[in-house]
Amino acid sequence: QKEVEQNSGPLSVPEGAIASLNCTYSDRGSQSFFWYRQYSGKSPELIMFIYSNGDKEDGRFTAQLNKASQYVSLLIRDSQPSDSATYLCAVNWKRGGSYIPTFGRGTSLIVHP
Amino acid sequence: SQTIHQWPATLVQPVGSPLSLECTVEGTSNPNLYWYRQAAGRGLQLLFYSIGIGQISSEVPQNLSASRPQDRQFILSSKKLLLSDSGFYLCAWKATSTGELFFGEGSRLTVL
Repeated sequence: QKEVEQNSGPLSVPEGAIASLNCTYSDRGSQSFFWYRQYSGKSPELIMFIYSNGDKEDGRFTAQLNKASQYVSLLIRDSQPSDSATYLCAVNWKRGGSYIPTFGRGTSLIVHP
Repeated sequence: SQTIHQWPATLVQPVGSPLSLECTVEGTSNPNLYWYRQAAGRGLQLLFYSIGIGQISSEVPQNLSASRPQDRQFILSSKKLLLSDSGFYLCAWKATSTGELFFGEGSRLTVL
């Protein structure tokens, strides 16, 4: 059973702080990792993807991947109230000739003014 | 550019009634398509995926079924709904270059 684990939260941070979201996965063979943001009642939308060990930065967001420890994290700098949402970690497992996206349960982030 | 649509957006159905949710994709050919369900306060559970017309893989045993009658059409169905079928249903297609998913607007189903 392929698993993606996230702390459901909520994670509460003050405006302007760094929010740190973590995710672990069970399959060492996984190659691609994704962070999605989902506002209440809406569909998820991609924030970032990462394939290689290390950090990947995009604006206020940084994804970090450590394949040896099987975790991937998302840092949000200068958090804003508009960042309040559920953040979903996804891992694409290889099955036959396809890569199947599997999601964690999501971490609820609350950024308070 | 690619777009994905699903409907209906909201529906309330009695237990034992049938269900049909439809999803269509525009602007791409032979997309990999997915149906997910999100129960209240939960993550996305993969229900079905399809890599081509008539090719459906089921992830969990349940009273739902899926069909792909055309390249860019994916349908989720049930003959008799259960209370546990309530949730937010999401259709998605996967970009082959990056592996990211693009989601439809979602269909919120309440079974009473």
